Amino acid sequence: KNEVEQSPQNLTAQEGEFITINCSYSVGISALHWLQQHPGGGIVSLFMLSSGKKKHGRLIATINIQEKHSSLHITASHPRDSAVYICAPRVGGGADGLTFGKGTHLIIQP
Amino acid sequence: GAGVSQSPSNKVTEKGKDVELRCDPISGHTALYWYRQSLGQGLEFLIYFQGNSAPDKSGLPSDRFSAERTGGSVSTLTIQRTQQEDSAVYLCASSFLGDNSPLHFGNGTRLTVT
Repeated sequence: KNEVEQSPQNLTAQEGEFITINCSYSVGISALHWLQQHPGGGIVSLFMLSSGKKKHGRLIATINIQEKHSSLHITASHPRDSAVYICAPRVGGGADGLTFGKGTHLIIQP
Repeated sequence: GAGVSQSPSNKVTEKGKDVELRCDPISGHTALYWYRQSLGQGLEFLIYFQGNSAPDKSGLPSDRFSAERTGGSVSTLTIQRTQQEDSAVYLCASSFLGDNSPLHFGNGTRLTVT
């Protein structure tokens, strides 16, 4: 079973700050998803990566397969970035290959 | 294009009643997942459909929970004799075949059992 830990659990920051959310997992994986969940429940897939780094707008995701660690960065944070960010590493096929972290609750204050 | 659609968005029911939750996946997506998220908790896997294969039901919490997927498309999650602990947001996700296909989530059904 893949143990997934996210840190911090809660983060409050001021608008414009650089944000880092970390995800560590315990077993080798084939890919890792970063998800965003806004108040109201909708979940959006931000990134799926298996190596290196991906960038989309102000969001950057990195992964270090050897260290079993991934980070999600937000540059020039904005109040609309306030959400729960969830990492979900995938070990293999099927539904039980996907494990979800408990999420990081991010609040960006204006 | 259309995303994953779930209905109803909210459901309030009395303890002991049966409820049906519906998920319309993205057209062409062969994989369909049901998850449950209780207040303040992470996502809990319930059931997984992949093409014509037998579904993976290993996450269903009790025999009151069942799900089917007709014609490889629409899926219905049924909860019989609902209990208060069933109150949660029920989320459906779909993807193309393959471990590394992105997941697309619906907006969920918020179920409240009174």
